[in-house]
Amino acid sequence: GAVVSQHPSWVICKSGTSVKIECRSLDFQATTMFWYRQFPKQSLMLMATSNEGSKATYEQGVEKDKFLINHASLTLSTLTVTSAHPEDSSFYICSAQPLNGRGTDTQYFGPGTRLTVL
Amino acid sequence: SQQGEEDPQALSIQEGENATMNCSYKTSINNLQWYRQNSGRGLVHLILIRSNEREKHSGRLRVTLDTSKKSSSLLITASRAADTASYFCATDKAGNKLVFGAGTILRVKS
Repeated sequence: GAVVSQHPSWVICKSGTSVKIECRSLDFQATTMFWYRQFPKQSLMLMATSNEGSKATYEQGVEKDKFLINHASLTLSTLTVTSAHPEDSSFYICSAQPLNGRGTDTQYFGPGTRLTVL
Repeated sequence: SQQGEEDPQALSIQEGENATMNCSYKTSINNLQWYRQNSGRGLVHLILIRSNEREKHSGRLRVTLDTSKKSSSLLITASRAADTASYFCATDKAGNKLVFGAGTILRVKS
């Protein structure tokens, strides 16, 4: 149990286009999902916290108008990279916290999405 | 940034040897977790140790936590080639957020 999926697993797009990445909790409901970005050979950096039914909260330095987050249901959060540029090329990973999860010890991570912007 | 540091940044050992990785953090925590990431893949949760615990074991993994020094170590005993991966520690932050360390790249040579 506690499986989180991401779609697509990899995507290549042209500069200036928008890309949507989905994060789904397959067998549990998640009120909170987190989005991370990981550049090659670096660690994961938290971008934003996605809460079902409310606006996402973004970490300092992350542009909310560039990285649009929607958490429309208890099993789905989407991250849209708008007007993507080559510097947005990265590995994007989501995690989901179950409805009855307390603290961080019950976050489950997706397999990640590799975005390459040409 | 509250991101912690890990050392060594890279570690190369022979199969069968033990691997020790260290993690330091900056603020008080409720728990600390260790994750493994194979190249280009997602995270695999290895072990969680709470702030009131000093040592924890899981199979070939041994984790220690020293809250006075704000540090933790991960020991992998009798390493295998399949243990080759990046290892990250993560501490909790307000709002159930995780702060990841810089990571250690482990290479186990067969």
